[in-house]
Parts: sequence; structure tokens; C-alpha cells
Amino acid sequence: ETVMTQSPATLSVSPGERVTLSCRASQSIRSNLAWYQQKPGQAPRLLIYAASIRATATPARFSGSGSGTDFTLTISILQSEDFAVYHCQQYNNWPYSFGQGTKLEIK
Amino acid sequence: EVQLMESGGGLVQPGGSLRLSCAASGFTFRGFWMHWVRQVPGKGLEWVSRISSDGSSTTYADSVKGRFTISRDNAKNTLYLQMNSLRAEDTAVYFCARDSSSSDWFDPWGQGTLVTVSS
Repeated sequence: ETVMTQSPATLSVSPGERVTLSCRASQSIRSNLAWYQQKPGQAPRLLIYAASIRATATPARFSGSGSGTDFTLTISILQSEDFAVYHCQQYNNWPYSFGQGTKLEIK
Repeated sequence: EVQLMESGGGLVQPGGSLRLSCAASGFTFRGFWMHWVRQVPGKGLEWVSRISSDGSSTTYADSVKGRFTISRDNAKNTLYLQMNSLRAEDTAVYFCARDSSSSDWFDPWGQGTLVTVSS
């Protein structure tokens, strides 16, 4: 099974800052990685797929990069609505697996 | 608008059964693979099961294999998850999610339904 490890678990940041979240796979997943945003009491929402392609309606301040085992999600200028939990998911190796999530909280 | 709406969650005793439903609208349901994903409150996401667009192929996580059954009724635009022999560790919010048309990321997701297994 491919284990996905996200870091850090929690990140305290201020609006307007640039932030980078990390996701690491225990084996190569090529570029078969998605990022989701989840707000309290809501379902996850797709942000990025194929490691770097923004989903429809994902703002341009979100960008994804990486391939193989190391991936990042960058938010260029944090907005108040971006404070949420971010999950990565690999869909290269069976069974599909998620990271444990990174929570962005207001400093 | 593409929508998924789960129902059927609730409190059940260990060893009991429950059937979840996911009503789909706003897209051609029969054209997409579908998934169930669960989340223990406050924890990460766990993929549970998937079903092909015509229902002929199903796959399960090892943690639920032999106890859960995924199915669909394309005439009713509805996805199901029959859960038997429930355990405390099955307590979670269960989401249904649509597969992408080209690969296996999930978009969109339903709002989730809470299943609590407790005596």
C-alpha cells in the first residue's frame, strides 16, 4: 500500500502570506496526485489533479507541483476563505490512499 | 448543477447492518464510476469502495471486504453501500464521490452521512 504523508499537520499563518504544504508518497506515484480542500462540516472539494492542473473554479492563487514521491501545494496569497484542511490523494497505486491532512489555521 | 446526496446513516449496534444511498443529479449517472470514501470525525479520509459505470465491476478496501457491498441502480440514479457486520471502527462520515471521466480523482463529493456503531 502506498502511504501518503503530509506535513506539517497544522500550519498557523496570517492572511496575505504565501504558504506551501507538502505531501510525500512512500513509493512513486508519477503525477497521479490530487489535492482537496475541506472546510468544517463540508465535503472535500477538488482543487488540483494530475499534481499540477487546477480544477474548474480553483483560484489561480493555488498551484501544485511535483512528481514521483514529493509534491507541494502552494497558496500564493492566503485569503480568509482558504483556512481549511487540505488532503492529498494518490490514484496511481491500488488501493488509492490519502494523506492525513494539513490544517491551515489563522495565526 | 452536479449534485450527490447521501442518506441512510444513523446509530447501529455492533454486528448490525445499514444501507447507505447516494442520489445523483445533474449529470449522466450511468456514464461514471462511483466511489464511497469515509472519514472518522477529525481524522483523514479512507477510500472504501468503487463500482464501474455499469455495475459489473466492484472493488473494496481490505478493511471492509466481505462485509460491505457496493451497488447502483442507473435507472434511479442512485448508488448504494450495504454495510453488514458493522464494527466500532466503521464509525465515520461516509461520502459518495464521482470518479473523473479520465482518471481516479473524485469530483464532486456528497455532503456525507454519519454512521455510528455503538452499543
